Amino acid sequence: DADVTQTPRNRITKTGKRIMLECSQTKGHDRMYWYRQDPGLGLRLIYYSFDVKDINKGEISDGYSVSRQAQAKFSLSLESAIPNQTALYFCATSGEGQGPYNEQFFGPGTRLTVL
Amino acid sequence: RKEVEQDPGPFNVPEGATVAFNCTYSNSASQSFFWYRQDCRKEPKLLMSVYSSGNEDGRFTAQLNRASQYISLLIRDSKLSDSATYLCVVNSVTGGGNKLTFGTGTQLKVEL
Repeated sequence: DADVTQTPRNRITKTGKRIMLECSQTKGHDRMYWYRQDPGLGLRLIYYSFDVKDINKGEISDGYSVSRQAQAKFSLSLESAIPNQTALYFCATSGEGQGPYNEQFFGPGTRLTVL
Repeated sequence: RKEVEQDPGPFNVPEGATVAFNCTYSNSASQSFFWYRQDCRKEPKLLMSVYSSGNEDGRFTAQLNRASQYISLLIRDSKLSDSATYLCVVNSVTGGGNKLTFGTGTQLKVEL
């Protein structure tokens, strides 16, 4: 079974709709992240959370919000989707500590299309 | 200037060839470095960390040059299964933890 899961895997929605992407992990990690990936731009950090009571904005948080419902769950919401939010979204987790070699483990991704 | 820059490729090489990818980073305070592999439409997965002295894992060798802010990945005896996009990733430690900055990736296609 996958350690980091994302739902849905694919979603097509219309401009102005609210949509939630969910992420769950069984790795027991405290730290969770949401990224988006666009062709030619690489992965960019949207939000991250170092524990249940900690939420931080990444480099491109405008138009997004998050909720950390439990250690294992971190959801990303688009309050009013717009076409330039069409992208591949990844959730990731990592272990504790500021160890420089902390690996991040990624979910399988959600492909979101906003029409 | 981008924080992490890579040649996007694609690099088309025959099976058995040796291929090298380069990456430069702009933040001189960056502390650690990684190569991730991403298959088409899949999630990135850690290929190897890059240590100051250079490190090798089977057919893969990673090198770091801090003075030039340059990282490389060498793949020897390329296999068809090595076809993927290779992401250069730089770690900077912030107040609360590590922040990863991803390059846009270099695409490798290994052909018969």
